[in-house]
Amino acid sequence: GENVEQHPSTLSVQEGDSAVIKCTYSDSASNYFPWYKQELGKRPQLIIDIRSNVGEKKDQRIAVTLNKTAKHFSLHITETQPEDSAVYFCAARAGNQFYFGTGTSLTVIP
Amino acid sequence: DTAVSQTPKYLVTQMGNDKSIKCEQNLGHDTMYWYKQDSKKFLKIMFSYNNKELIINETVPNRFSPKSPDKAHLNLHINSLELGDSAVYFCASSRHGLPSSYEQYFGPGTRLTVT
Repeated sequence: GENVEQHPSTLSVQEGDSAVIKCTYSDSASNYFPWYKQELGKRPQLIIDIRSNVGEKKDQRIAVTLNKTAKHFSLHITETQPEDSAVYFCAARAGNQFYFGTGTSLTVIP
Repeated sequence: DTAVSQTPKYLVTQMGNDKSIKCEQNLGHDTMYWYKQDSKKFLKIMFSYNNKELIINETVPNRFSPKSPDKAHLNLHINSLELGDSAVYFCASSRHGLPSSYEQYFGPGTRLTVT
């Protein structure tokens, strides 16, 4: 089955700096890669996603890149703000199954 | 207009009891899921289910069983609750097959505490 690895597990940045979270996957059949943000006590919320036929996608301050050959994808957050502090999960969808990374706890220091 | 809803939000019970968590989605999705999130925040898939197929994570004890009365509902039954079952349980749903709509949406979670 699919195996998704996520790094780093914790990340602290100064407000205004950029944050990058990286994930790798193992199953070449995976064709959809969402990123979720989970604030304390809340549900995971989809913030951006990318399909396997696209290399990069951007939505305001967040962007995701995908390298199918290397089987890795990354989340980039620019101009970080304190409200970006949360746990972020990457995932890969293969068939009807979603496989999640282990999460990255991002802290943005004001 | 809640997309994916769960009840109850909190559940406190004693070891050995049997309990159920309900999940409903109004998105017209055909696949529903249950995840367990432990204290380390790992999201672990327990089940995925559509009207054709139930996929069970082999690490899930058989004390856990999903029950789906219809496409919009997937309930989670837990027998003989143990301390280690304490966690937050999330229901989710997605649409299978359509490349234009792969997104998975989560319910608000049920925090289960076994004492």
